[in-house]
Amino acid sequence: KQEVTQIPAALSVPEGENLVLNCSFTDSAIYNLQWFRQDPGKGLTSLLLIQSSQREQTSGRLNASLDKSSGRSTLYIAASQPGDSATYLCAVRGNQFYFGTGTSLTVIP
Amino acid sequence: DAGVIQSPRHEVTEMGQEVTLRCKPISGHDYLFWYRQTMMRGLELLIYFNNNVPIDDSGMPEDRFSAKMPNASFSTLKIQPSEPRDSAVYFCASSPAGGTSGELFFGEGSRLTVL
Repeated sequence: KQEVTQIPAALSVPEGENLVLNCSFTDSAIYNLQWFRQDPGKGLTSLLLIQSSQREQTSGRLNASLDKSSGRSTLYIAASQPGDSATYLCAVRGNQFYFGTGTSLTVIP
Repeated sequence: DAGVIQSPRHEVTEMGQEVTLRCKPISGHDYLFWYRQTMMRGLELLIYFNNNVPIDDSGMPEDRFSAKMPNASFSTLKIQPSEPRDSAVYFCASSPAGGTSGELFFGEGSRLTVL
C-alpha cells in the first residue's frame, strides 16, 4: 500500500526566508502528485499539480519538484510571508489519492 | 464553475440521530471522494465513486455509514445512528477522469459535532 510521509511535521520561520517542505512516497507507480494548502477551519486548496512525466511546476513564489524514481517531492516557497502560514499537504495519485499528514508552517512577521 | 459544494457547513446533533451530508461535485468530473478529517487520524478516505458507481468503500468505518451517488451531480453520506466519535470534518472532493490528468478539488467541508 502506498505510504506518504511529510517532514517536518511543523516548521516556523521568520518572514522573508526561503523554505522547503518535503514529501516522500513508497510506490513510484503514480499518475501525478499534488500539493495542497489548508487554512484552519477551511478546505484544502490545490496549489500545484505535477504529472508523473514532469519534473517540476511553478506558480508565483511556489515551485514543486518531483523525483519519481526516488519517491520524493519538494515544495519550495520563496520569500515567505505571514500569509503563507497554513498546513501544506501532498497527495499522490495511484488508483486513488494518498495523502501525507501535512506540514504546519508558521511564518513569523 | 462554483467548485465542489457541500451542505450543511455545520451540523450539531445528538447521539443516535441520523445525519445526512450532501455534495455536488464539479460538473463533468467522473470521480467523487468522501474524506473524514480529525486531529488524531488526519485525512481518511471513506469511499469513492467513479461514474456514480462505488469503487472502494473499505474506508467506511462501519455499517452505520452509507454513501450514495444517484446521479453525476449529487452524492450523500449518511450516518445512522450517529455517535460522538463521528465528530469530525467531512470533505467531499471531485476529480476529472483518472490517469495523468486528474486534479483533485475539495469542498469547504461539513463540520459535524455529535453530542
